[in-house]
Amino acid sequence: QLQLQESGPGLVKPSETLSLNCTVSDGSVTSSSYYWGWIRQSPGKGLEWIGNIYYTGTTYYSPSLKSRVTISLDTSKSHFSLRMTSVTAADTAIYFCVRTFIRRSYFDSWGQGTLVTVSS
Amino acid sequence: DIQMTQSPSSLSASVGDRVTFTCRSSHDINTHLNWYQQKPGKAPKLLIFAASTLESGVPSRFSGSGSGTDFSLTISSLQPDDFATYYCQQSHSTFVITFGGGTKVEMK
Repeated sequence: QLQLQESGPGLVKPSETLSLNCTVSDGSVTSSSYYWGWIRQSPGKGLEWIGNIYYTGTTYYSPSLKSRVTISLDTSKSHFSLRMTSVTAADTAIYFCVRTFIRRSYFDSWGQGTLVTVSS
Repeated sequence: DIQMTQSPSSLSASVGDRVTFTCRSSHDINTHLNWYQQKPGKAPKLLIFAASTLESGVPSRFSGSGSGTDFSLTISSLQPDDFATYYCQQSHSTFVITFGGGTKVEMK
């Protein structure tokens, strides 16, 4: 049973960089069938897709976040990461790491989510 | 971007009720539509993909329909475990993925 686990600081200061990691329990980050990505949810709000990465390193980002976001993949360590620069209070959210089944583009596995608060 | 609009944003229902809520896309997305259920404090869970295909393990009281721009999710007989928020997600554009704003199903 695949498990995804987010890790990283729960508090980030405005204008600084948010960094999160996601560990993939079964080492399947090199599978050609999946993307690996991030989705966030602001408190009491809906879901916002941030971006995906393929095992080759190809990335896809939300146009609204593209200028501030980088997703990377470490296949040797079976984890992938999110880096978001110049954060503001609007970036306060629960961040989920996810697996996307490419052929149908649905999110079939989710981490439990980690709350990141942007505050001084 | 493809915009997804869900309605209603919330509804009140009782155990045993048949409930239906809808998701509308700003563009024709064929049947590239997925549904998720989210309970408070939990990650969303995939219920239905490709508009009408039930994910493995999902009870048969859930069903999805639609194509093009209009979609619906129906729960044939609402159970206590079904009070949650439901989100649709378009998968037509794999490079820009968007969700609807959600429908919260509350107990009447």
